[in-house]
Amino acid sequence: GAVVSQHPSWVICKSGTSVKIECRSLDFQATTMFWYRQFPKQSLMLMATSNEGSKATYEQGVEKDKFLINHASLTLSTLTVTSAHPEDSSFYICSARGTSAYEQYFGPGTRLTVT
Amino acid sequence: GENVEQHPSTLSVQEGDSAVIKCTYSDSASNYFPWYKQELGKRPQLIIDIRSNVGEKKDQRIAVTLNKTAKHFSLHITETQPEDSAVYFCAAGTASKLTFGTGTRLQVTL
Repeated sequence: GAVVSQHPSWVICKSGTSVKIECRSLDFQATTMFWYRQFPKQSLMLMATSNEGSKATYEQGVEKDKFLINHASLTLSTLTVTSAHPEDSSFYICSARGTSAYEQYFGPGTRLTVT
Repeated sequence: GENVEQHPSTLSVQEGDSAVIKCTYSDSASNYFPWYKQELGKRPQLIIDIRSNVGEKKDQRIAVTLNKTAKHFSLHITETQPEDSAVYFCAAGTASKLTFGTGTRLQVTL
């Protein structure tokens, strides 16, 4: 149980374009999903938290107009990187938490490269 | 906000020896302390967690201890095996938000 999928696993895009990343909980209902960013050999930095049907809560320093998050259902959250630039290249990982639970289960991550 | 420090950053042990990784946290409101194992290019996997109402938890070769007064918690791996080699992250927080440590790269040598 507690499987989280993420799509795509990797993506290369040109500077100025937008990229959408999907995060799905496959066998449980995720009332809360989290989006993290991880640079090589570094820790996971929380970008934003999304609750189903509500606006996402962004961490300090994260531009909400650049990183659009939608959590339209209990099994799907999406992160759209708008007008991507090379500095946005990173490993983006989502996690999901079920109702009345503490545990976060992570997706496999999406490696974004902006050229 | 929460601040989590993790030590050591790298740890090399011989197969069969024990490994200990330590973390400290700053926010007394934190009540949940999970540990994740991450292999290169893969997702972090939850290996054990502890809540603030418990001082110690064990699962086979893995154990975690928590000292709320001192605000520190530790991961203990006994009888290490080569497949234990990975990066381990501690985290502290609540159900609503976790702050991660900087990671420990564990290398188990034959």
